[in-house]
Amino acid sequence: SQQGEEDPQALSIQEGENATMNCSYKTSINNLQWYRQNSGRGLVHLILIRSNEREKHSGRLRVTLDTSKKSSSLLITASRAADTASYFCATDAKQGEDKIIFGKGTRLHILP
Amino acid sequence: DSGVTQTPKHLITATGQRVTLRCSPRSGDLSVYWYQQSLDQGLQFLIQYYNGEERAKGNILERFSAQQFPDLHSELNLSSLELGDSALYFCASSGGGQGFFEQYFGPGTRLTVT
Repeated sequence: SQQGEEDPQALSIQEGENATMNCSYKTSINNLQWYRQNSGRGLVHLILIRSNEREKHSGRLRVTLDTSKKSSSLLITASRAADTASYFCATDAKQGEDKIIFGKGTRLHILP
Repeated sequence: DSGVTQTPKHLITATGQRVTLRCSPRSGDLSVYWYQQSLDQGLQFLIQYYNGEERAKGNILERFSAQQFPDLHSELNLSSLELGDSALYFCASSGGGQGFFEQYFGPGTRLTVT
């Protein structure tokens, strides 16, 4: 079953506004990660949140995890043009196959 | 710059051929991961090696194989290539072994099969 489905698929906001992306998954996880990818380039790790954590901050990023709803959100505050990118969540299942699964991503576009 | 290098950057080849993609991990990282990214399938985890040993296997086809050498660089071999194998192939590295933690991605190899 597919883990890590991001929502929305695409998001356009004005520079300075906050951007929120959501990720849902299906099975219990060890941890959940968020990555950023600029067009055609390698992914950059943003933040990892463990299954026993509820919220984590890193600079302008805030990640929440709700294991009861099997969902996570990534909030980027005071967005900048440089935040334009695709954002992926990635999960590894606590049981079953030992692998990491990436969602299809949210394409974020920051308008000047 | 993540510190992970991949060669070549671009590769164009014909169906039925075999290619080898190369990855050098960040200095000190023992784990190497391979991923395939295509428009229809998204980013798919293929395989992980840790200190020369296969650690985890994802959606890797039987026509694909990988290995990690004593100097920790890794190679991904793709054989009997099909049009559908056209994709971006990423290598990533991390310091850990068991589990999936913060990974550093290389710039990727764009493979085009004609």
